[in-house]
Amino acid sequence: GAGVSQSPSNKVTEKGKDVELRCDPISGHTALYWYRQSLGQGLEFLIYFQGNSAPDKSGLPSDRFSAERTGGSVSTLTIQRTQQEDSAVYLCASSLGQATFNQPQHFGDGTRLSIL
Amino acid sequence: AQSVTQLGSHVSVSEGALVLLRCNYSSSVPPYLFWYVQYPNQGLQLLLKYTSAATLVKGINGFEAEFKKSETSFHLTKPSAHMSDAAEYFCAVSHPNTDKLIFGTGTRLQVFP
Repeated sequence: GAGVSQSPSNKVTEKGKDVELRCDPISGHTALYWYRQSLGQGLEFLIYFQGNSAPDKSGLPSDRFSAERTGGSVSTLTIQRTQQEDSAVYLCASSLGQATFNQPQHFGDGTRLSIL
Repeated sequence: AQSVTQLGSHVSVSEGALVLLRCNYSSSVPPYLFWYVQYPNQGLQLLLKYTSAATLVKGINGFEAEFKKSETSFHLTKPSAHMSDAAEYFCAVSHPNTDKLIFGTGTRLQVFP
């Protein structure tokens, strides 16, 4: 498809387990972003990849959160030892990048993560 | 530092009425501003963006927004609400020197028949 694809769309797991969330950006987009959207809240920036530059991890809430982007395309967000407060919708977005400052971000439909 | 404030977490209007969703920004540099819409169980979709070319920006679905530097505002309007406009709306400002966006907390629009 032409849009940003995220998988799984829903994930239910037990507290303490590790989870991996996947994002396939739009082909040719060099910038990729992860956000967290908790119930009734706005979008919380987590991490930003731009080309081959070191990622901006300034939004990761704890060291249990990490993300990789392999080959400049697919990205995985990993949450280790999940806690109930990690329950949220995790959104991925991509953009053309190149630091043009005005390129819109294109969002996937998100992964709804529920921690029991 | 960049930030946006959306006044009113919930706005309710009747079908056919004017829609006004408020957004004020704070920016240390001339800002780029965006409005996104999120329908239930979906990601965000770009409605419109301001990139300094024109202060009145027209977007999809009949929405428009006006950039007012003197008021540091970028309010979203639509002359006549439709039931299909019911969604959550997010204002965002771009971070200097990157494509990062700083989002507001969102405004949920309800449209009553």
